[in-house]
Parts: sequence; structure tokens; C-alpha cells
Amino acid sequence: NAGVTQTPKFRVLKTGQSMTLLCAQDMNHEYMYWYRQDPGMGLRLIHYSVGEGTTAKGEVPDGYNVSRLKKQNFLLGLESAAPSQTSVYFCASSQGTGGWWTEAFFGQGTRLTVV
Amino acid sequence: AQRVTQPEKLLSVFKGAPVELKCNYSYSGSPELFWYVQYSRQRLQLLLRHISRESIKGFTADLNKGETSFHLKKPFAQEEDSAMYYCALSGHSNTGKLIFGQGTTLQVKP
Repeated sequence: NAGVTQTPKFRVLKTGQSMTLLCAQDMNHEYMYWYRQDPGMGLRLIHYSVGEGTTAKGEVPDGYNVSRLKKQNFLLGLESAAPSQTSVYFCASSQGTGGWWTEAFFGQGTRLTVV
Repeated sequence: AQRVTQPEKLLSVFKGAPVELKCNYSYSGSPELFWYVQYSRQRLQLLLRHISRESIKGFTADLNKGETSFHLKKPFAQEEDSAMYYCALSGHSNTGKLIFGQGTTLQVKP
């Protein structure tokens, strides 16, 4: 059981380049999330999805786009990378909301550097 | 506004000493509170949640609504407890979104 898998694990981009981060989960979870982790700031929510075909903005959505065409996949896109997007990106999924359903399962992270 | 505050960036203790990682929150309703842990080179994982009221790896956390706190405690720290700890809050928005604190690095020295 792989859980939540992120691709790639590491990437270096030049300013202005674009890329897509892929998140795949095999737990049949409805809810999926993209967070970024920065020193001293914890994890901040970029975008999230409450089901296939739905997406919504989180706390720091600017410069990112997402798509959830299939229930098991949640893609995060950077159209024109900026140095401020240098971060570690985490994908997470959860079965539902409220009580025991709220536990989030995380991917291993993608370390992105924009130069 | 919903907010989670962990005032300590780094907490360094000796093996066998008691540990308390502080977490304060701001939320107008009754939130769900969690502690997540990230060991070196591992993914973030749930340590415990306030509704379970259980002890995991010797850690406990009690939700104090009066002080809006959810401090994580362990009476005797072990070297394997060294990790980054995040306190997180989930409001009742039927989205499952988590609001994380800044994180506290726990360093347990031998």
C-alpha cells in the first residue's frame, strides 16, 4: 500500500520555467491538499479539492494552479516559477471531515528550488 | 481568524527529562486539534488527536478550551523523539483543511 506518492522528489527550475507536481493516492480518499513548507512558517495550504473535478484556493494560491481530473490524482502547476516559490511541497489526502475521518496522510515531499 | 501558534522554534532537552511542546490556538468555535510529527527523512504523520484522548509513544496532549491550548507532553524524553512537531487545527468547514503552527524542533540529547 503506497499511500500518497509525489513526483518528482527534487527539482531545480530556472525563473520563468513551468512545471507540474503530481500527487497520487491509492486510498480512495475524497479530499486532497497541497501545502508548502517554509522555515519558521509551518505548512501553508495552497489549494485543495473536496472531490473529483473540484478545486478551491487555500491560504497562498497565487502563482499556482491545480487540477483534479481523476479522484486519485491531484496536480499542482507552476506556470512561471519565481524564486519565492522555492520550498518543500507536500501533498496530503484524507478520507473525510470531522472526527476520525480528518486524519491527513502525507506524501514524502518535493523539494523545489527556483534559481 | 483561525491561527495556531507554537512559540518555540527549538526545544533542546536531555534524555530522560520531561518535555512540553506548547501550542496555542485561536478559533471561534470548537476546533479539532492534532499533533503531527516529522522524523528525519520521513513523511509527516499524525501523532495524536484531541478526540482520542490516548497516549502515543508516551506523549499526551490535553485540550484546554479556557486557555485555548493543546500542549504536547512526555514525562521522560527519548533520543528517538527528536523530530519536528507541528500542532494543527481543523475547523468545522467540511473541507478537512488543516491550519498548522510554525513547528517546533525537539532535540533530545544523550
